Amino acid sequence: EAGVTQFPSHSVIEKGQTVTLRCDPISGHDNLYWYRRVMGKEIKFLLHFVKESKQDESGMPNNRFLAERTGGTYSTLKVQPAELEDSGVYFCASSRPLRLAGGPANEQFFGPGTRLTVL
Amino acid sequence: DAKTTQPNSMESNEEEPVHLPCNHSTISGTDYIHWYRQLPSQGPEYVIHGLTSNVNNRMASLAIAEDRKSSTLILHRATLRDAAVYYCILRDVVLGNKLVFGAGTILRVKS
Repeated sequence: EAGVTQFPSHSVIEKGQTVTLRCDPISGHDNLYWYRRVMGKEIKFLLHFVKESKQDESGMPNNRFLAERTGGTYSTLKVQPAELEDSGVYFCASSRPLRLAGGPANEQFFGPGTRLTVL
Repeated sequence: DAKTTQPNSMESNEEEPVHLPCNHSTISGTDYIHWYRQLPSQGPEYVIHGLTSNVNNRMASLAIAEDRKSSTLILHRATLRDAAVYYCILRDVVLGNKLVFGAGTILRVKS
């Protein structure tokens, strides 16, 4: 079974530019999450999709961030315009539908992350 | 989300057991205790979870206090590949989907 993949692995952009991060979840995983770790801080939740619907977007920092999951498969996270404080590592995770998860663990499988540097 | 408290760092010798503590005094009845770890340059990975009873899997054991206000992740024989940041996370079984990460414990394993 292929794991969660993220693209690109690294991105270096200038302040004010736009960047789009992509996440391909494990096949069959309805739940998709975005998290990020900015410099010196803890990993923070951004949002959660169930299929193509946003279940919880309480962690999105502001309206410069736009997440989509058209068709309920892969997801993109766009930052426009990027600011210096957006630098960090962005992680994507996926998990099985709760009815198939075999209980409350609903283990999340994480990708390797995209390291974003805004100059 | 209920908070957890973990030591900032711990050190272990290779091939020896490691006990990673976690305090969660405000845990509620619907909170499961989850452990994830993050190896260098990788995303976090699931280790184990439990509710009230002690749990074992191929990676580790989880010992949960009778009052559930603390728990201990046990690695029976630490290897160099176990060097990672270990996160103790409370997750509401009814409401919870997102993971709320704290600072975790940095585990260093010496050869």
